[in-house]
Amino acid sequence: EIVMTQSPATLSVSPGERATLSCRASQSVSSNLAWYQQKPGQAPRLLIYGASTRATGIPARFSGSGSETEFTLTISSLQSEDFAVYYCQQYNNWPPWTFGQGTKVEIK
Amino acid sequence: QLQLQESGPGLVKPSETLSLTCTVSGGSISSSTFYWAWIRQPPGKGLEWVGSLYYHGTTYYNPSLKSRVTISLDTSTNQFSLKLNSVTAADTAVYYCARHPLRRSGTYYNVVWFDPWGQGTLVTVSS
Repeated sequence: EIVMTQSPATLSVSPGERATLSCRASQSVSSNLAWYQQKPGQAPRLLIYGASTRATGIPARFSGSGSETEFTLTISSLQSEDFAVYYCQQYNNWPPWTFGQGTKVEIK
Repeated sequence: QLQLQESGPGLVKPSETLSLTCTVSGGSISSSTFYWAWIRQPPGKGLEWVGSLYYHGTTYYNPSLKSRVTISLDTSTNQFSLKLNSVTAADTAVYYCARHPLRRSGTYYNVVWFDPWGQGTLVTVSS
């Protein structure tokens, strides 16, 4: 099973600033990585797939990068609606499909 | 636009069977390009994939749950279902259903991300 590890657990950022979230895989997942956003009381929403491709309707301030075992989600200028929990998920070696434990982006 | 909606009891007694249904609207669960999945999230915790199935019967289950899980589909009602038996308090979670796309990658097919998701339903295991 591939273990996904996200850091930090919590990221405190001021509105308008950049947020950088990390996700590490226990072995290579190539570019088979997705990112999700989850707001309180809501289901997760797909943001990024293929490590760097934005899903339909996702604003350009969200960008993904990385390959193999190291990945980054960057939010270039945080808006109020971006404060949420973010998860990464690998789909290179399955089953199981596995998620990271999440990074909470909170208002500083 | 595809929508998914979970339904089922919100309270299940320990040792009994949790049963949930996901109703899909705006698309067919018989599509050859999608699997259909269940994912759960214990209160205040992260996401755990439970299982996925394809319309012609192929199923994958999380090894940690494999002996207790069954996922099936009903093409006549455009629904798929989750059964988890011998539940304990550790199975208390919000259960989500989601579409799980099949994508061609070179010479093979990959089952990829989850999109979209249902709104989720909280199932509490308690006597």
